[in-house]
Amino acid sequence: ETAVFQTPNYHVTQVGNEVSFNCKQTLGHDTMYWYKQDSKKLLKIMFSYNNKQLIVNETVPRRFSPQSSDKAHLNLRIKSVEPEDSAVYLCASSRDWRNTGQLYFGEGSKLTVL
Amino acid sequence: GDSVTQTEGPVTVSESESLIINCTYSATSIAYPNLFWYVRYPGEGLQLLLKVITAGQKGSSRGFEATYNKETTSFHLQKASVQESDSAVYYCALGGATGGNNKLTFGQGTVLSVIP
Repeated sequence: ETAVFQTPNYHVTQVGNEVSFNCKQTLGHDTMYWYKQDSKKLLKIMFSYNNKQLIVNETVPRRFSPQSSDKAHLNLRIKSVEPEDSAVYLCASSRDWRNTGQLYFGEGSKLTVL
Repeated sequence: GDSVTQTEGPVTVSESESLIINCTYSATSIAYPNLFWYVRYPGEGLQLLLKVITAGQKGSSRGFEATYNKETTSFHLQKASVQESDSAVYYCALGGATGGNNKLTFGQGTVLSVIP
């Protein structure tokens, strides 16, 4: 049963436009993540938030900015998208940052940049 | 940095045959990593299949097994008799809190197709 919800599931846009992806989890978890899955299907972490605080910020271009209004929501905004931003963006949550056990993932948001 | 390498797919197996998907890891930032297998079934989100947090231990779920081998830095996924419903993408991953931050490093994924 899905408990991590992402919108939109698909988005097609032009180079230079702004895009936002939304994520909500109903599990009561403290920690949320954004992962990027590129064309080679590699999954890499981008950001992690614990109770609205940024705790992981990998080497990600500055046009990417995460936003968390509360611990159940973590959005991702991309200003001025580039072709290499085409990917599937996966949101996930876990009970807390110390729990390296189960991550719960959303179905993903596929971005295509023309 | 940390890395995970797994069997290059796609892997095609006939129903009731045995399966092994290889996974080896390199953990440079985590002394004692936790190891995971995640699976993505068609039309569904990525979900945990099994995990092992102690070297030498075996994890199992839905007929799949994987043993955490610290000596060979491996965590191969095995199943004695696959079913068509096992067709999915399988990801090996390692994780562990480093510097207070929790993150997973994934392999590239292995597409499994089970032929009825």
